[in-house]
Amino acid sequence: GQQLNQSPQSMFIQEGEDVSMNCTSSSIFNTWLWYKQDPGEGPVLLIALYKAGELTSNGRLTAQFGITRKDSFLNISASIPSDVGIYFCAGHNDYKLSFGAGTTVTVRA
Amino acid sequence: NAGVTQTPKFQVLKTGQSMTLQCAQDMNHEYMSWYRQDPGMGLRLIHYSVGAGITDQGEVPNGYNVSRSTTEDFPLRLLSAAPSQTSVYFCASARNFIDSPLHFGNGTRLTVT
Repeated sequence: GQQLNQSPQSMFIQEGEDVSMNCTSSSIFNTWLWYKQDPGEGPVLLIALYKAGELTSNGRLTAQFGITRKDSFLNISASIPSDVGIYFCAGHNDYKLSFGAGTTVTVRA
Repeated sequence: NAGVTQTPKFQVLKTGQSMTLQCAQDMNHEYMSWYRQDPGMGLRLIHYSVGAGITDQGEVPNGYNVSRSTTEDFPLRLLSAAPSQTSVYFCASARNFIDSPLHFGNGTRLTVT
């Protein structure tokens, strides 16, 4: 399958901090998507990016579709406790969606 | 609107047993798919369907069968369960996949002993 490299694997956040994560691939994708998964639930779509170079916001979330179509990043501004969870990037080609391994976000004690 | 419904939520099988994981969606979505989620590996596509009567293999199809006799339902069958199939399974659907994102169910946690 197509390999998506997502980083970091995990991060600790303090309320109010900005958070960044990114995804790279050796393959070109037509669409990049970012999902969030809470414990015991399925992933939920956060942002969808359909055009190379596109920068899209959804509330405190901002994501960009890299100009080469091989990468994307997600920023979360002014994090709040409910931002904890696992974030997945996903690239879409044909009828298949390939996922990164996820970034686990937890609250710093 | 129930969205994507998966049953059961939890299942324990012995090696060699068979079972069917059920998935139903009430959104009239043409595209449906099955993923498995294992620690540190993200979600991997098992099988998918672009419409009733049409199925195709994903990244990790071995050991699994699917059928799509109706638009609403997309069951996943394990014919002879193996410990390597211990995982969390997610069903997902989309209006047409090309320009509409996937909606996921809440998963089935399967343990094979």
